[in-house]
Amino acid sequence: AQTVTQSQPEMSVQEAETVTLSCTYDTSESNYYLFWYKQPPSRQMILVIRQEAYKQQNATENRFSVNFQKAAKSFSLKISDSQLGDTAMYFCALNNYQLIWGAGTKLIIKP
Amino acid sequence: DTGVSQDPRHKITKRGQNVTFRCDPISEHNRLYWYRQTLGQGPEFLTYFQNEAQLEKSRLLSDRFSAERPKGSFSTLEIQRTEQGDSAMYLCASSLTSDNEQFFGPGTRLTVL
Repeated sequence: AQTVTQSQPEMSVQEAETVTLSCTYDTSESNYYLFWYKQPPSRQMILVIRQEAYKQQNATENRFSVNFQKAAKSFSLKISDSQLGDTAMYFCALNNYQLIWGAGTKLIIKP
Repeated sequence: DTGVSQDPRHKITKRGQNVTFRCDPISEHNRLYWYRQTLGQGPEFLTYFQNEAQLEKSRLLSDRFSAERPKGSFSTLEIQRTEQGDSAMYLCASSLTSDNEQFFGPGTRLTVL
């Protein structure tokens, strides 16, 4: 069975700080995709960043970057220079024709 | 059309009633997914379509749930004889292929009294 685990139910940091959200997963597939999605309060789910498992280079999108460790099955998200608008639930997801989701991490950015 | 739309955004119903939700995906997307999300949890897969074919349905999904995508465009999700445990946010998403990003709609929040 494929699983995704997010071990941090909630995190809070000061604005402008860097924060790292953890995600581990389990799959027997050799090729797959990993995603981080953001769900702001009462707003819809949007993609933050994606990583193809066959690519060794870690994906980056502006202030967002991942640390993808395939052997360890770890996929953490780093947010640099955090902003108030980053406050949201963050979900890690594994793609296998359907998305397998973690339970989410509630991130609060404090002014 | 710039995104996935869902209708209605909110639905309040009495236990035992039937409800139907609609999802309009991004027009060129072949794949359409339905998820259910309860407060504080990640989305739970319900079913997905490739064009008009329903390719997978969650084992957790009761027979009271049915989904259609008759012409490979919009989709409907019907819940018959609603129960209080059906109260949740129902999310629809679409993608070009199975490997692509899924784009989500705003969801339909169902409350069963």
